[in-house]
Amino acid sequence: QKEVEQNSGPLSVPEGAIASLNCTYSDRGSQSFFWYRQYSGKSPELIMFIYSNGDKEDGRFTAQLNKASQYVSLLIRDSQPSDSATYLCAVKEGGSEKLVFGKGTKLTVNP
Amino acid sequence: GAVVSQHPSWVICKSGTSVKIECRSLDFQATTMFWYRQFPKQSLMLMATSNEGSKATYEQGVEKDKFLINHASLTLSTLTVTSAHPEDSSFYICSATGTGFQPQHFGDGTRLSIL
Repeated sequence: QKEVEQNSGPLSVPEGAIASLNCTYSDRGSQSFFWYRQYSGKSPELIMFIYSNGDKEDGRFTAQLNKASQYVSLLIRDSQPSDSATYLCAVKEGGSEKLVFGKGTKLTVNP
Repeated sequence: GAVVSQHPSWVICKSGTSVKIECRSLDFQATTMFWYRQFPKQSLMLMATSNEGSKATYEQGVEKDKFLINHASLTLSTLTVTSAHPEDSSFYICSATGTGFQPQHFGDGTRLSIL
């Protein structure tokens, strides 16, 4: 069973701090990794995707991938109250278009 | 870019009714579309994967005769919940992806309530 594990949280950080969200996955054949943000009652919204080991930055967001450790993370710099949401880590199965989702980490940014 | 439109946003109907949900990719050709269901405070559950012009592939435990999926074109997939019952009430979300290393982009979801 291919699994994606996330700390369910809740993770609480003060406004302006760095929020660090972590994810591990079991399928070594996975090649593509995604972070989605889901506000309560809404559908997921793509934040970042990463395919290669290392860091990928987009504005306040940085995705980090370590395939050897089967670990992917998302850093949110200068966290804002509007970043408060559930963050879903998703991994594309090797040889498939399907995504395996983690259960999500609920982030709360306190003003 | 990569906009996926889902319609309707809300449906409230009586038990026994069939409900059709549409999912459209507005600015790209969606070779593969996915249908998910999400119950409150739970994660997304993949129901089925559909490729244009092919029969959908359903996940284990999902009744294909109850959840009819049609992916007739590269921009449109539909999910029909047949003879819906209160236990089918849920948040149904579609997503779409194009060719190559493209992420899945999600529609806004359809909240289905069966009375």
